[in-house]
Amino acid sequence: DAKTTQPNSMESNEEEPVHLPCNHSTISGTDYIHWYRQLPSQGPEYVIHGLTSNVNNRMASLAIAEDRKSSTLILHRATLRDAAVYYCILRGSTGNQFYFGTGTSLTVIP
Amino acid sequence: DAGITQSPRYKITETGRQVTLMCHQTWSHSYMFWYRQDLGHGLRLIYYSAAADITDKGEVSDGYVVSRSKTENFPLTLESATRSQTSVYFCASRAVSRSHEQYFGPGTRLTVT
Repeated sequence: DAKTTQPNSMESNEEEPVHLPCNHSTISGTDYIHWYRQLPSQGPEYVIHGLTSNVNNRMASLAIAEDRKSSTLILHRATLRDAAVYYCILRGSTGNQFYFGTGTSLTVIP
Repeated sequence: DAGITQSPRYKITETGRQVTLMCHQTWSHSYMFWYRQDLGHGLRLIYYSAAADITDKGEVSDGYVVSRSKTENFPLTLESATRSQTSVYFCASRAVSRSHEQYFGPGTRLTVT
């Protein structure tokens, strides 16, 4: 299965945009890019997913490189409630298994 | 309440004992999953189920047993608990038509002494 590489940790100031990077150089043509996040002492929650085009939803935006070997999760205005571990996950269109790595721990500074 | 619940939330058991973790969802989702989370490993899939009476192994299934007689319940049993099974266990579910969105429960913290 294709692997993802994320920084272990990042910091952001409150109310500023945050760009969380993910490298996935071995991605296959049918792999979707997913982002989940896990708030402290909670289960993970879905954030966004995409295949080739950039995607927006109420939580975040997903920017996918043209060659699909990297992507960036964008939080437009970080709040203290966005402090969490963010996971970038690849999965094929028909697979049932998500492979969570260790993610990026985001700290939001007031 | 609607959603996905897990019980117990905390459990301490002894090596060699059988323990069952419960998972219940009210959405009638077809798919249900069990993960464990350990420091340094992220979440790893133990078992999943595509429907009642249909289950399949995940990445780390040894030492675990599941059953799914009803759509809404997906219990996970450790037949003979070992210290290496000390972990936080998360249950998740998803609808057939929304394969990208799994909904996770609050987790069960299990300690095996």
